Amino acid sequence: GAVVSQHPSRVICKSGTSVKIECRSLDFQATTMFWYRQFPKQSLMLMATSNEGSKATYEQGVEKDKFLINHASLTLSTLTVTSAHPEDSSFYICSASGGAGDTQYFGPGTRLTVL
Amino acid sequence: QKEVEQDPGPLSVPEGAIVSLNCTYSNSAFQYFMWYRQYSRKGPELLMYTYSSGNKEDGRFTAQVDKSSKYISLFIRDSQPSDSATYLCAMTLTGNQFYFGTGTSLTVIP
Repeated sequence: GAVVSQHPSRVICKSGTSVKIECRSLDFQATTMFWYRQFPKQSLMLMATSNEGSKATYEQGVEKDKFLINHASLTLSTLTVTSAHPEDSSFYICSASGGAGDTQYFGPGTRLTVL
Repeated sequence: QKEVEQDPGPLSVPEGAIVSLNCTYSNSAFQYFMWYRQYSRKGPELLMYTYSSGNKEDGRFTAQVDKSSKYISLFIRDSQPSDSATYLCAMTLTGNQFYFGTGTSLTVIP
């Protein structure tokens, strides 16, 4: 089956620093990648959708200048949380899709803790 | 009205029971339907992926889609404690935009 990796799996940082999370599709080309955040015992919240080579489309209420998304290749997307604050602490999950008619394959998630 | 409705549970069953998980949806144009399993602090794992109406079976899991009723189900036979997780339904029209249920928390008691 399709495999999506995320790195790092866990990160702890100080308030005000920036954190980059990588999402890779290991055995397929991902034309579309999605970024979600999830708070404890809550459902997935879509943050943004990105297509390779295009600017990401952000969901309402998600600050695009704070959550920078780059999808430079068909196997890699990155999410950078800029000037992180404690309220940004959450579980961030990416997923990838191979295109029309394909489903989403999720990464294992990254737990971000901002002190 | 939400695009996808899913009872959050929690649902608790004894080991060996048959589990039925369900979602309803409002957009009759949805064509692709998925079930994911999510363990605590992990990313969702794809269990079943079906196109249009009908049944699909994979081991102890059976997915059903009834497009006329806008209703999808996931059945788990001979449930095991390792099936304890949150189950998410999802659907899409084209694969560019997905709609998720809120998830049903399942506990299988040994």
